[in-house]
Amino acid sequence: EAGVTQFPSHSVIEKGQTVTLRCDPISGHDNLYWYRRVMGKEIKFLLHFVKESKQDESGMPNNRFLAERTGGTYSTLKVQPAELEDSGVYFCASSQDQRQGGSRLFFGSGTQLSVL
Amino acid sequence: GENVEQHPSTLSVQEGDSAVIKCTYSDSASNYFPWYKQELGKGPQLIIDIRSNVGEKKDQRIAVTLNKTAKHFSLHITETQPEDSAVYFCAAGFNAGGTSYGKLTFGQGTILTVHP
Repeated sequence: EAGVTQFPSHSVIEKGQTVTLRCDPISGHDNLYWYRRVMGKEIKFLLHFVKESKQDESGMPNNRFLAERTGGTYSTLKVQPAELEDSGVYFCASSQDQRQGGSRLFFGSGTQLSVL
Repeated sequence: GENVEQHPSTLSVQEGDSAVIKCTYSDSASNYFPWYKQELGKGPQLIIDIRSNVGEKKDQRIAVTLNKTAKHFSLHITETQPEDSAVYFCAAGFNAGGTSYGKLTFGQGTILTVHP
């Protein structure tokens, strides 16, 4: 079974530019999450999709961040325009429907974003 | 909101020794406490979890204990091996009915080094 896949693994951009991160969850996982770890600190929740719907986006830092999950499959996270403080590792995770016994989060390897 | 504190930030042990990582949480409503291991270049991987109706859980060389009254939970690794070297994260979450456990509050992480 393929795991959670994230693209790109690394991205280096200049302040003011736009970057789009992509996440392919495990097939059949309705729940998709984005998390971020900044400067070696704790991993922080950004948002949660259930299929194509945003269930909870309380962790999104500001309106420069836009997440989508069209069709309920893969998801993208766009940062526009990027700022220095956006640098960090962006993780995507997925899990099954809770009613099917899925509570375990499966994480991707992350995208290391560096804004210069 | 929930706040999770994790200690120590770094831990160095000799192979065969035990390692203990401790976390405290602030929200008494939290009822799910997973532990993740992150190896270099990979995403966090669930190694063990505990729910608030259980005080202790063990899986081979790893165990987790939970003290709900004190809002403490700990990870214990016995007979450590060099391959246990990684970053370990504790987390806290809340599940009500069918709501996913996926929105987690993480600790800051512990870098565990096991010396041969």
